[in-house]
Amino acid sequence: DTAVSQTPKYLVTQMGNDKSIKCEQNLGHDTMYWYKQDSKKFLKIMFSYNNKELIINETVPNRFSPKSPDKAHLNLHINSLELGDSAVYFCASSQPPTGTSGRETQYFGPGTRLLVL
Amino acid sequence: SQQGEEDPQALGIQEGENATMNCSYKTSINNLQWYRQNSGRGLVHLILIRSNEREKHSGRLRVTLDTSKKSSSLLITASRAADTASYFCATVPRGYQKVTFGTGTKLQVIP
Repeated sequence: DTAVSQTPKYLVTQMGNDKSIKCEQNLGHDTMYWYKQDSKKFLKIMFSYNNKELIINETVPNRFSPKSPDKAHLNLHINSLELGDSAVYFCASSQPPTGTSGRETQYFGPGTRLLVL
Repeated sequence: SQQGEEDPQALGIQEGENATMNCSYKTSINNLQWYRQNSGRGLVHLILIRSNEREKHSGRLRVTLDTSKKSSSLLITASRAADTASYFCATVPRGYQKVTFGTGTKLQVIP
């Protein structure tokens, strides 16, 4: 019954590898997001998709490539992992897109802890 | 720079006491939200207050918003050990689609 789920929960990998994180939401939301939370708990948005279309793309290295096969899924692929990529990555969804008054509540997944060695 | 900044960064109180944390932001907003994050978990939405509202209650939570000072406060009354978590404010600036999170206040409620 998990509303927003992510896989895997943990990922420990070597520098230079390519990895993917998957996110699925069963809330019927149109908008999904990827956030990165660093060791100081600073939460920063990376990408946002509305109905499979990219609407927010913050200043993120192009080694990060999101993919939304359908509006219930938003995956994040990371090429050539670097030490600084170590963080917790959160997926979230909302309905409708943020900016519409009163309905921007975000539902977060449990997070994926990525450690790059 | 960061849209929302919380103060204090960390707060420790005895169970039963009230906890107050503040958030300041820089630009005009559509609304402001408060989230809680338990250790090792994702964020959970607590309450949303619109720019035309000044105060809102939800259970033991009371949120105020002062748009002239660009600040908000979250008050948790009669705190419990289970309230121990990090609390984040989040703002939706006017004209933008993204939610920007503050730096968080780490609250510890000591039994």
